[in-house]
Amino acid sequence: QQQVKQSPQSLIVQKGGISIINCAYENTAFDYFPWYQQFPGKGPALLIAIRPDVSEKKEGRFTISFNKSAKQFSLHIMDSQPGDSATYFCAARLTSGSRLTFGEGTQLTVNP
Amino acid sequence: NAGVMQNPRHLVRRRGQEARLRCSPMKGHSHVYWYRQLPEEGLKFMVYLQKENIIDESGMPKERFSAEFPKEGPSILRIQQVVRGDSAAYFCASSPALYQETQYFGPGTRLLVL
Repeated sequence: QQQVKQSPQSLIVQKGGISIINCAYENTAFDYFPWYQQFPGKGPALLIAIRPDVSEKKEGRFTISFNKSAKQFSLHIMDSQPGDSATYFCAARLTSGSRLTFGEGTQLTVNP
Repeated sequence: NAGVMQNPRHLVRRRGQEARLRCSPMKGHSHVYWYRQLPEEGLKFMVYLQKENIIDESGMPKERFSAEFPKEGPSILRIQQVVRGDSAAYFCASSPALYQETQYFGPGTRLLVL
């Protein structure tokens, strides 16, 4: 119940295309869902986050779509650029705690 | 405003030695989290500390691993008698307050056990 499942494991997109990464969770006590971006040799950096009381959040080219009934959320990267090539992690945090539970990660490659 | 700092960035140890990983949180942050990332895997929570207190250590292996966050100085993750399976990237994150949502990650320490 503590797991967050992420797919796909890897994704290749052409420049200008839309990248979509999906995550699913079981525990309805999760109340905060961030996405992190990680470049090789670096630490994860917060990209965008959402709470379950909204269905969508957009920041620039990045959008989170949240489906509370399906217990799923996704990251959409519009107009994908080669500089977006990185590993993306979804995560979730319990209402009562502070630790983040991470998905397995998606390695995104954007071809020029 | 400096970010989360970790050192060393790379650490090589032989089996049976001790590894000490240090983390200095962002200025004004009093909460520290340690995560471990095995090759090709996601990050796994290990421990959550406040100054002089361990709040949640449910992700820490029962043996050989310990963590502290003293009143003065950085947080330390200590691994005794390292084994090859301890080879991983260890990340520290900090946040300014309890239940603060955003955790800011450091660059990590890559531990290699020979």
